[in-house]
Amino acid sequence: AQTVTQSQPEMSVQEAETVTLSCTYDTSESDYYLFWYKQPPSRQMILVIRQEAYKQQNATENRFSVNFQKAAKSFSLKISDSQLGDAAMYFCAYRSGSTGNQFYFGTGTSLTVIP
Amino acid sequence: DAGVIQSPRHEVTEMGQEVTLRCKPISGHNSLFWYRQTMMRGLELLIYFNNNVPIDDSGMPEDRFSAKMPNASFSTLKIQPSEPRDSAVYFCASSATGGSYNSPLHFGNGTRLTVT
Repeated sequence: AQTVTQSQPEMSVQEAETVTLSCTYDTSESDYYLFWYKQPPSRQMILVIRQEAYKQQNATENRFSVNFQKAAKSFSLKISDSQLGDAAMYFCAYRSGSTGNQFYFGTGTSLTVIP
Repeated sequence: DAGVIQSPRHEVTEMGQEVTLRCKPISGHNSLFWYRQTMMRGLELLIYFNNNVPIDDSGMPEDRFSAKMPNASFSTLKIQPSEPRDSAVYFCASSATGGSYNSPLHFGNGTRLTVT
């Protein structure tokens, strides 16, 4: 089974600053998809951004962008101009492109935004 | 798109009682997943269905847990008898897999189960 590792249990950032959350994964596949989910205190799981492994260009959604390094099997999330509403748990997830029924999640990073 | 609908949102029950959690996936999604989230163990996959068929139930903790998907628009997760260690947030999620696997998981709002 693929493994997804988030090595930072907790992170903090000053409001309006930039923060990067790390995610690495282990796979022998070449075709797969990566996702970042946000879970605020309301506990709802919200999709933040997705990346297809076959695309070299890093995905971007407004203030959220990724740094996808396929060779290094790294998929970090950058949040620019951090806002108080960004405070949440962030989960990295992997989905196989060939047997895509399973999603593999990291253990999460708790992000605190300091006013 | 109404999203994935779970009920109830909160459930408090006494040890030994039967608990049934319900889920309606997004219309057209052919994969359905049940997850359990706790502080200690994080997000755990319990079981997932593809086209209403259980594919992998290796995450189901024990025989007290069972899940069904009688049709494409409804699934249940049942715990009988419930125990205090079953207290957790249970998520249902659905996804499309036809043609491409770039479809993300869409989560319901979860059911917070408390067993006293």
